[in-house]
Amino acid sequence: TQLLEQSPQFLSIQEGENLTVYCNSSSVFSSLQWYRQEPGEGPVLLVTVVTGGEVKKLKRLTFQFGDARKDSSLHITAAQPGDTGLYLCAGEARTGNQFYFGTGTSLTVIP
Amino acid sequence: NAGVTQTPKFQVLKTGQSMTLQCAQDMNHNSMYWYRQDPGMGLRLIYYSASEGTTDKGEVPNGYNVSRLNKREFSLRLESAAPSQTSVYFCASSWGDRSAYEQYFGPGTRLTVT
Repeated sequence: TQLLEQSPQFLSIQEGENLTVYCNSSSVFSSLQWYRQEPGEGPVLLVTVVTGGEVKKLKRLTFQFGDARKDSSLHITAAQPGDTGLYLCAGEARTGNQFYFGTGTSLTVIP
Repeated sequence: NAGVTQTPKFQVLKTGQSMTLQCAQDMNHNSMYWYRQDPGMGLRLIYYSASEGTTDKGEVPNGYNVSRLNKREFSLRLESAAPSQTSVYFCASSWGDRSAYEQYFGPGTRLTVT
């Protein structure tokens, strides 16, 4: 069962453009994490959001957790080639112990 | 520190063969996880071990078994490999099993079953 849907699945943009990636579910999560994965490597954690409505910023990346804790978004300002990678959201089940990963968004930033 | 290491990096099996994927972490983490990653599916949890001596099923446990050998090592075994198990397998570890604790992932094992 795929609990988290990400959109878009693929995104190719020019350097300097802005973009938003969405992570949606019909389930409520205790928390939500965003990871970035580069080819041939494992995912690396970018941020964890816990409170409904929470907004966190990491340099040019802005993460928001939906008020109802069912969805999240990742916004990148002035994208750079170094932002290229697969972005994954992961929701922590309310029962704990398990994380459910989204389908992933593959981002390519063209110089 | 090596972090999370996985062996082998690549493996090709014939249907029905068995194999064990090895994972070790040197961060003194309590919790360890096995995921599989398939195109368009994200990562799906196979099994996890919240602490040494315990293991629990995840989202897709069928066809797999695990062993938490000690605090450092968590192995994944395929008893009779099937083509549907062709995937990239990731091991991860964390201090605890809640979101407050970051999961650290290994580099993955790319498995093909023919």
